[in-house]
Amino acid sequence: DADVTQTPRNRITKTGKRIMLECSQTKGHDRMYWYRQDPGLGLRLIYYSFDVKDINKGEISDGYSVSRQAQAKFSLSLESAIPNQTALYFCATSDLGQAEYNEQFFGPGTRLTVL
Amino acid sequence: DAKTTQPPSMDCAEGRAANLPCNHSTISGNEYVYWYRQIHSQGPQYIIHGLKNNETNEMASLIITEDRKSSTLILPHATLRDTAVYYCIRREDLNSGNTPLVFGKGTRLSVIA
Repeated sequence: DADVTQTPRNRITKTGKRIMLECSQTKGHDRMYWYRQDPGLGLRLIYYSFDVKDINKGEISDGYSVSRQAQAKFSLSLESAIPNQTALYFCATSDLGQAEYNEQFFGPGTRLTVL
Repeated sequence: DAKTTQPPSMDCAEGRAANLPCNHSTISGNEYVYWYRQIHSQGPQYIIHGLKNNETNEMASLIITEDRKSSTLILPHATLRDTAVYYCIRREDLNSGNTPLVFGKGTRLSVIA
């Protein structure tokens, strides 16, 4: 079983709809992240959370919100989807434990299309 | 701002060493250099990281210049499955900032049979 799972894997929706992307992890990590990736570009950070009570904005948080329901779950919401939010979305986790070695583990991605 | 500079693309013959350069001329003393790769729209995968010394693991070697202004990721015997986008990332030591990874555009490595 995958350590970091994302649902749905693919979603097509219409402008103005509310969309929630979910991420779950079984790695027991404290830290979770949401990134988006546009074609030909690197990943850009949307939001991140270092524990259940901690939520931080990333580089491109406008138009998005998040919820950290539990250590293992971190959801990303688009309150009113617009076409330029069409992208590939990745969730990632990392361990608080080792200060230097902070490898991030990524989920398989959610491909979102907003028409 | 990724704050690293990488060539947009490179080719490498299968079985040969792939040497991927990265410039990080403004790196500070507490910033590590991380390398990740992304294979065709999959989630990025950690490869290796280092601070000052050269590092080697089962996937690759990382050579960091003495002044730390640049580094090279070496895949010693590239295979077709190494075709991917490779990202060089600066990351501040957690004790001083808890900064997440900041990805640039990376280098698209094509391994050719």
